Amino acid sequence: QKEVEQNSGPLSVPEGAIASLNCTYSDRGSQSFFWYRQYSGKSPELIMFIYSNGDKEDGRFTAQLNKASQYVSLLIRDSQPSDSATYLCAVTMNSGYSTLTFGKGTMLLVSP
Amino acid sequence: EAGVAQSPRYKIIEKRQSVAFWCNPISGHATLYWYQQILGQGPKLLIQFQNNGVVDDSQLPKDRFSAERLKGVDSTLKIQPAKLEDSAVYLCASSLSSSNEQFFGPGTRLTVL
Repeated sequence: QKEVEQNSGPLSVPEGAIASLNCTYSDRGSQSFFWYRQYSGKSPELIMFIYSNGDKEDGRFTAQLNKASQYVSLLIRDSQPSDSATYLCAVTMNSGYSTLTFGKGTMLLVSP
Repeated sequence: EAGVAQSPRYKIIEKRQSVAFWCNPISGHATLYWYQQILGQGPKLLIQFQNNGVVDDSQLPKDRFSAERLKGVDSTLKIQPAKLEDSAVYLCASSLSSSNEQFFGPGTRLTVL
């Protein structure tokens, strides 16, 4: 049974701070890792994906992957109130038509 | 480019009734997914189609849930009979066969009374 664990939060940060969201996964065979953002009452939208160990940056977002520790994180720099949402971590085996296994999500609250 | 379309957006039924949801994926997307998202949890895959064939339905409660994608484009998900624990948002997503990036529709919020 593949599991993806996230702290449900809420994680509260002030505007302009760095928000750090963490995720661990149980299946060592997992190959691809995704971060989705979900606003309340809306559907998930992809923010970033990462396949290789290390950091991947896209604007204010940085995804970090450590396969040895089975750990993936998302850093949001210069957090804005509009970043307030639930952040879902998802993993796949990336073999053929593999499927996403989602964590429960971490709620982020950015206060002005 | 139009996104994934779903209908209805909301549905309220009583337990033991039947309900059906419809999804139209992004044009050209061969892979279609149905997820169930219970409040406070992440989406859980129910079924995945590649064109009109089922790739994965291991988490679909087949005694009450069914899904089809007859012409390899739009899809329907049916629940018969519904239970209280089926109250959730049902999300449809689609992707190109060669990519894992999935694009989600707005979802159908089902309430079973």
